[in-house]
Amino acid sequence: RKEVEQDPGPFNVPEGATVAFNCTYSNSASQSFFWYRQDCRKEPKLLMSVYSSGNEDGRFTAQLNRASQYISLLIRDSKLSDSATYLCVVNTGFQKLVFGTGTRLLVSP
Amino acid sequence: DAGVTQSPTHLIKTRGQHVTLRCSPISGHKSVSWYQQVLGQGPQFIFQYYEKEERGRGNFPDRFSARQFPNYSSELNVNALLLGDSALYLCASSLETGVREQYFGPGTRLTVT
Repeated sequence: RKEVEQDPGPFNVPEGATVAFNCTYSNSASQSFFWYRQDCRKEPKLLMSVYSSGNEDGRFTAQLNRASQYISLLIRDSKLSDSATYLCVVNTGFQKLVFGTGTRLLVSP
Repeated sequence: DAGVTQSPTHLIKTRGQHVTLRCSPISGHKSVSWYQQVLGQGPQFIFQYYEKEERGRGNFPDRFSARQFPNYSSELNVNALLLGDSALYLCASSLETGVREQYFGPGTRLTVT
């Protein structure tokens, strides 16, 4: 079983739609969680950290469910510029980040 | 403020050769991590360095080595290159070890022929 699993997609949505991605992780001792965004052939960029209480940043909302070991990202009012790959990232506590394979989002006009 | 910088941006090498990749972290960041990203996959952790000491190592062969300098910049070395080493090599910096948010450089795209 992979340490971090994501649906690779692609998710094709029209502008203005709401889309949600889920991610599961296998190590119950994982300590911190993040969503990164990666555009084609570019480096990953930190989108947001994910806190136990959930957190929101504009159109983006992240949730963490430790009991079920999953993390979610909700994007409201999708923009064309949101088209990218979204990487779920977990700190397993061994001085490293573990990345999922990413979920590809395509927002169309 | 400059972000994480890496050099070179692209590199083509032949099987069996050696390569050195370089990274300068964000000013004030003391920890540098290296990742390998092959096409269609997420980045895979190779090393983390903090205050010139190795603090973490991923599941990579001994052909991969790294070091960190007093100015916190870092080098990743790969010996005896294989075709499978072709990938985007990413450097990430963070304030300290303990892996809070990490910020990535643009990467070095290595092609082994």
